[in-house]
Amino acid sequence: EIVLTQSPGTLSLSPGERVTLSCRASQSVSSSDLAWYQQKPGQAPRLLIYDASSRATGIPDRFSGSGSGTDFTLTISRLEPEDFAVYYCQQYGSSPRTFGQGTKVEIK
Amino acid sequence: EVQLVESGGGLVQPGRSLRLSCAASGFSFDIYAMHWVRQAPGRGLEWVSGISWNSGTVDYADSVKGRFSISRDNTKNSLYLQMNSLRPEDTALYYCAKVDQWLGYFDSWGQGALVTVSS
Repeated sequence: EIVLTQSPGTLSLSPGERVTLSCRASQSVSSSDLAWYQQKPGQAPRLLIYDASSRATGIPDRFSGSGSGTDFTLTISRLEPEDFAVYYCQQYGSSPRTFGQGTKVEIK
Repeated sequence: EVQLVESGGGLVQPGRSLRLSCAASGFSFDIYAMHWVRQAPGRGLEWVSGISWNSGTVDYADSVKGRFSISRDNTKNSLYLQMNSLRPEDTALYYCAKVDQWLGYFDSWGQGALVTVSS
């Protein structure tokens, strides 16, 4: 099983700031089969990024993903008020599909 | 527009059974694999089970293997999760999710069905 470790656990930031979230895998993720999801309180997760760097339909270009192998990053170039949420990475290249424990981005 | 609507959640005693359903619409249900993902209160996401488009392949997390059974009815555009021998640690919001391919990312999610296992 591939274990995904996200860091940091919580980020306290202000609107307009740049955000970099990390996701590290315990072993190489097949074919960059890594996704990022955003979850707001009381809502289902929403797909942001797939294949490590491809934006899902309707996702603003301030969200970008990068990385390969065992190290992946989600970057939000400029935080908007609606971006305060929990972010999860997930690998889908092998079973069991696994998620990171999440990073909470909160308002400072 | 893809819509996934879960139902069948509720309060159940440990050791008992419950069956979740997911009604799909807005896409060709019969050509996509489907999965269940759960989230315990205040916790992260955990993949539970998946089924291929034709039910030929199924997969389970170790935590539910032998107790849960996934199935689908393509004539009814519906996905199911039969949960037996429920434990308190199965308490969670259960999401139905669509994938683009068998080993794929979850591109659409339902709003979830809450299952509470408690005496």
